[in-house]
Amino acid sequence: GAVVSQHPSRVICKSGTSVKIECRSLDFQATTMFWYRQFPKQSLMLMATSNEGSKATYEQGVEKDKFLINHASLTLSTLTVTSAHPEDSSFYICSLSGVGSAYEQYFGPGTRLTVT
Amino acid sequence: EDQVTQSPEALRLQEGESSSLNCSYTVSGLRGLFWYRQDPGKGPEFLFTLYSAGEEKEKERLKATLTKKESFLHITAPKPEDSATYLCAVQFMDSSYKLIFGSGTRLLVRP
Repeated sequence: GAVVSQHPSRVICKSGTSVKIECRSLDFQATTMFWYRQFPKQSLMLMATSNEGSKATYEQGVEKDKFLINHASLTLSTLTVTSAHPEDSSFYICSLSGVGSAYEQYFGPGTRLTVT
Repeated sequence: EDQVTQSPEALRLQEGESSSLNCSYTVSGLRGLFWYRQDPGKGPEFLFTLYSAGEEKEKERLKATLTKKESFLHITAPKPEDSATYLCAVQFMDSSYKLIFGSGTRLLVRP
């Protein structure tokens, strides 16, 4: 498998501020990364697909101007939650694909965002 | 509409009591079905990928099987450390490689 890290693991911010979450592939060059959101006791919902060097593809209902994704290198993708509100509080998880089988995805440890 | 349904929602077992988790899907053009384990507050941990009906994979006390409509995750003689949420996900036969997850089964194994 692949080793994926996320930073920070937890963040608390005030309503109206922006927060950046980093997702790093430590041992693999990933051309594609994915960002998911998970609310308490619910499953993972895909937010967007991040491709290195190109614009991210967002799922229906996800505001691309609110959730900015930058995949500037083969080992780093960032998710910025702009003008965060309490309803954005969630567990954000990234994954990457292409390790071994191109179809398998390996996930990071997640970032818990709390907006007060 | 493509759907992934997992059952039961929650399962309590005594240590050593074998059981099975179910993942049924209605997806046109399935590339693969994936099983993950998720512990509280952590990201999913990859377990298995199944690509075709009849395929089986094993890892320690876990065995995953796949038919044309569903997948089972069999847990043999579980231990308390097997307690977790088990997620299944499907991937379409397109170029996106994205995963669509079921709602998960929360497993509790009591000593």
